[in-house]
Order: sequence, then C-alpha cells, then structure tokens
Amino acid sequence: GDSVTQMEGPVTLSEEAFLTINCTYTATGYPSLFWYVQYPGEGLQLLLKATKADDKGSNKGFEATYRKETTSFHLEKGSVQVSDSAVYFCALRGRRGSYIPTFGRGTSLIVHP
Amino acid sequence: NAGVTQTPKFQVLKTGQSMTLQCAQDMNHNSMYWYRQDPGMGLRLIYYSASEGTTDKGEVPNGYNVSRLNKREFSLRLESAAPSQTSVYFCAIHPRGDENTEAFFGQGTRLTVV
Repeated sequence: GDSVTQMEGPVTLSEEAFLTINCTYTATGYPSLFWYVQYPGEGLQLLLKATKADDKGSNKGFEATYRKETTSFHLEKGSVQVSDSAVYFCALRGRRGSYIPTFGRGTSLIVHP
Repeated sequence: NAGVTQTPKFQVLKTGQSMTLQCAQDMNHNSMYWYRQDPGMGLRLIYYSASEGTTDKGEVPNGYNVSRLNKREFSLRLESAAPSQTSVYFCAIHPRGDENTEAFFGQGTRLTVV
C-alpha cells in the first residue's frame, strides 16, 4: 500500500536558519503530494502541493519539488522565523485504488529567536 | 464560510462515561473522516464516510461508533471512554473525484479521559 516517511523531529533551528524536512513516499502510479502545517492548538491546513512530477509547490517562503526519480517531496525554506514553529505533515493522494489520503507522522519544528 | 466545525473544543471525561463529538461542514462534500492524533503517531484514521448513509472502519475503529446524520454532519461516539482514548480528534473532508484537491480539517477536539 501507499506510505509516507518523514524525518523524525523535533527539528530545532535558530531564526533565519535554512530548513529542510525530508519526505519520501511509496505509491502506485503518480500521486498528488501535499505538505500540511499544524500550528499549536489548531487543525491541519494546506501549506503547498504538487500534482505531477517536477512540479514545485510554494507558499509563505516554503518550497517543495515533486521528484519522481527519488520518490521524494522535501520541504525547504531559506530563512525560518519563530512564527514557523509548528508541526509539518507530508501526505499523498493516490490515483488508483483507495482515495483515502496517506499521511506521514509529522515533524515538529521549533525555531528559537 | 466556516468550512469544517467541530464541537466541543475541549472535554474531560471520567472512565466509562460516554460522549459524542460533533462535526459539521458547509462545503457540500460527500466524504468525511475522523482521525485521532497522538504524540509520535501522527494521524490515524478512525472511521470515514464516503457519502450520506455509508460509513467504514479505518485503522483504529475499536471503541468508537459513528453516524452520518446527513450530508453536513458526521458524529463520533465514545460509548465507554477509556484513558487510552485521550487524544486530539480531528474531523476532515477529503473531496473525492479530484486527487489534486487538498483536505480540509476542523480545529480539533482535545479529549482527556481520567
């Protein structure tokens, strides 16, 4: 079945540091890929997405590129802020079989001033 | 446009008590889901409903029941709460028919069973 693997956290950075959160997936065919963000005390919300190979999703300074050859969708940001502290989830939706999304376990990001 | 609304936001139960978590959506989607979120476990699917009148078990259905009351509402019931059900519960919509579309989540219900 489909699966998503994310790097374990927490990831702790100083403000203005570079961020990478790794995400790799296993799926039949070519799924759509998503990054969600969960701020403290809130539900998940979409951060960015990519729906086909080589697409780059971007939002709020975050970027992720759909890499079919490495089955990856790593999240990056060039300069993190304290307000980016949150939990980040990588997810996919397959195009065959079950339509139910598959989520990674989440990666907690803590940014210090 | 509220999207997905969950009630209550917080709840404390004693072991053995029952309660119903409510979820309502105003996005006119057929599919609705209940997840629980626990530290280190990510999101785990409890039950889902592909359309009004249908429900199916997810990964962790034991100890829960659901009701799809109409297209807008999908409730989750704990008949006899246990400390292992202490968690944060999320209701979500994953629109079907378009795999490119993202999910929409409620704000969560934080449940503590003592």
